[in-house]
Amino acid sequence: EVQLVESGGRLVQPGGSLRLSCAASGFTFNIYSMNWVRQAPGRGLEWVSYITSDTRTIYYADSVKGRFTISRDNARNLVYLHMDSLRAEDTAVYYCTRSVEYSFDSWGQGTLVTVSS
Amino acid sequence: DIQMTQSPSSLSASVRDRVTITCRASQNINNRLSWYQQRPGKAPKRLIYYASNLESGVPSRFSGSGSGTYFTLTINGLQPEDFATYYCQQTFNSPQTFGQGTKVEIK
Repeated sequence: EVQLVESGGRLVQPGGSLRLSCAASGFTFNIYSMNWVRQAPGRGLEWVSYITSDTRTIYYADSVKGRFTISRDNARNLVYLHMDSLRAEDTAVYYCTRSVEYSFDSWGQGTLVTVSS
Repeated sequence: DIQMTQSPSSLSASVRDRVTITCRASQNINNRLSWYQQRPGKAPKRLIYYASNLESGVPSRFSGSGSGTYFTLTINGLQPEDFATYYCQQTFNSPQTFGQGTKVEIK
């Protein structure tokens, strides 16, 4: 069974940094592209970042470009989202997702990031 | 960026009703269109990919159609567990944008 488990979300002050992790299991992690998607309280879904299996291609939403960094460790089946210069508008549940057939077939349960003083 | 416009933003329906949600892309997305269901407090779940392919395990009352820039999600015979928010998403290019969502509520 495919499982994605996010962790690392917490309350952080504006301007602070945070690293989210996503632990993958139940599939051959090193052949799949992965994404981060977020959802602000009461709002819709916003794609954040994408990384291919070999890390050669990485994309970011304009709203996080220059502040967030996606990476992965294929030996440990982990994908990360390092977030710097956090703003109140980054407050959201962050989901890790797997890309299959140009679509997001599996989602984690999400981890909540709250940016507030 | 490709804009995805869903309509309606919300609707009220009864059990056993037929419901149709539309999603329009601002340019041709070559059928790289997915539909997701999100129940309150839960992660989204994929229903449809490549515009019309049903995810394994998803009931056959869900169907997707369309091409180019216009797509629909239809639920034939709404069930109590279908009351949720539905999102379309294009993965033709980056950023992989979502529609704003359609909330299906009980009438």
